Amino acid sequence: GAGVSQSPSNKVTEKGKDVELRCDPISGHTALYWYRQSLGQGLEFLIYFQGNSAPDKSGLPSDRFSAERTGGSVSTLTIQRTQQEDSAVYLCASSLAGGADTQYFGPGTRLTVL
Amino acid sequence: GENVEQHPSTLSVQEGDSAVIKCTYSDSASNYFPWYKQELGKGPQLIIDIRSNVGEKKDQRIAVTLNKTAKHFSLHITETQPEDSAVYFCAASTWGSQGNLIFGKGTKLSVKP
Repeated sequence: GAGVSQSPSNKVTEKGKDVELRCDPISGHTALYWYRQSLGQGLEFLIYFQGNSAPDKSGLPSDRFSAERTGGSVSTLTIQRTQQEDSAVYLCASSLAGGADTQYFGPGTRLTVL
Repeated sequence: GENVEQHPSTLSVQEGDSAVIKCTYSDSASNYFPWYKQELGKGPQLIIDIRSNVGEKKDQRIAVTLNKTAKHFSLHITETQPEDSAVYFCAASTWGSQGNLIFGKGTKLSVKP
């Protein structure tokens, strides 16, 4: 079946611009996670959505980062006024019901801020 | 909060040999420990996981062991093949209903033919 998909696969932007990254989770999965993978920092949790509950934003590094999930399915991660330190691979994962359910990752979006 | 340490950061083995990667965690309430394999340009792929109610789990050439008392878990790959070459990540899930994963820094495994 279809896995987690993300778009775009690559994004190059100029410092100060806003970017939007999209994630399509596996159909029927109620939990959705965003992680960031950067050199030297490994994989860092950013934000978690579960059904219609308020998201857990505790991993977002600054108020320039925000995310939404429409209709309990597709999610968009927005980074405003991008900085060079935002350059990383942004990964989305989904699981059936959160908790200790297996998380399935998408291929990621590689963001480069010039 | 939870902290996961992973060793070694790089590992090189000959084809057919075994490879072992070790992780320690700090939060005794963590109860789920997955291992992911990441190939270049791709997202992490789950290869095996273990929950805290068991001490060992096997899937063909791959096994994971968990020592809750010592708070460490290990990945064992036997009869390694060149296609096993990748970066491997261990992770621990924080207690509660969310399940956001705390990852180790990764181990780059190279299997030489």
